[in-house]
Amino acid sequence: GQNIDQPTEMTATEGAIVQINCTYQTSGFNGLFWYQQHAGEAPTFLSYNVLDGLEEKGRFSSFLSRSKGYSYLLLKELQMKDSASYLCAVNTGFQKLVFGTGTRLLVSP
Amino acid sequence: DSGVTQTPKHLITATGQRVTLRCSPRSGDLSVYWYQQSLDQGLQFLIQYYNGEERAKGNILERFSAQQFPDLHSELNLSSLELGDSALYFCASSGQGANEQFFGPGTRLTVL
Repeated sequence: GQNIDQPTEMTATEGAIVQINCTYQTSGFNGLFWYQQHAGEAPTFLSYNVLDGLEEKGRFSSFLSRSKGYSYLLLKELQMKDSASYLCAVNTGFQKLVFGTGTRLLVSP
Repeated sequence: DSGVTQTPKHLITATGQRVTLRCSPRSGDLSVYWYQQSLDQGLQFLIQYYNGEERAKGNILERFSAQQFPDLHSELNLSSLELGDSALYFCASSGQGANEQFFGPGTRLTVL
């Protein structure tokens, strides 16, 4: 089966750093995605990792360890607008994405 | 704006009915994906089409069907609707060889 685990909720303060973890066990692996989704809106792409290591993109970074089935999304200098759900998704082949249930992040002043 | 369009934005219907959701991918994208997002289940992959042909199937019920037309737009047909089918339905598209999927704004289906 396919299993992707993320924490359900996290809280953080404006200006802080937060790390959202994702562990996965899937039948295939062709890369891992992070998407941001504001309530009632479409998911928007944040990052993609297919090789082990850290990918940095502005305030957002994503890390992958394929041997451990583990990824994290690091958000720096948090802003109020970063309050959203963060979805971890694994491409199990032919661009078929299996999503975790998402982590709801609440940023407070 | 991702460039993916979906209609209608909202749909309210009754149990037992049939509805059709429509999606137009980004210009040039050959792949179209359909997802269902309900409160308790997260985003679930339903089906993928590539240039008119079915490419991958996820947890799509037999009451649901989809197709992709020669102009690359896609339709998702939901029949014999049940209360549990109430959800957000997203369409996404991607280009050839690309990894990133671009999501449309979704159709919110409410079954009463």
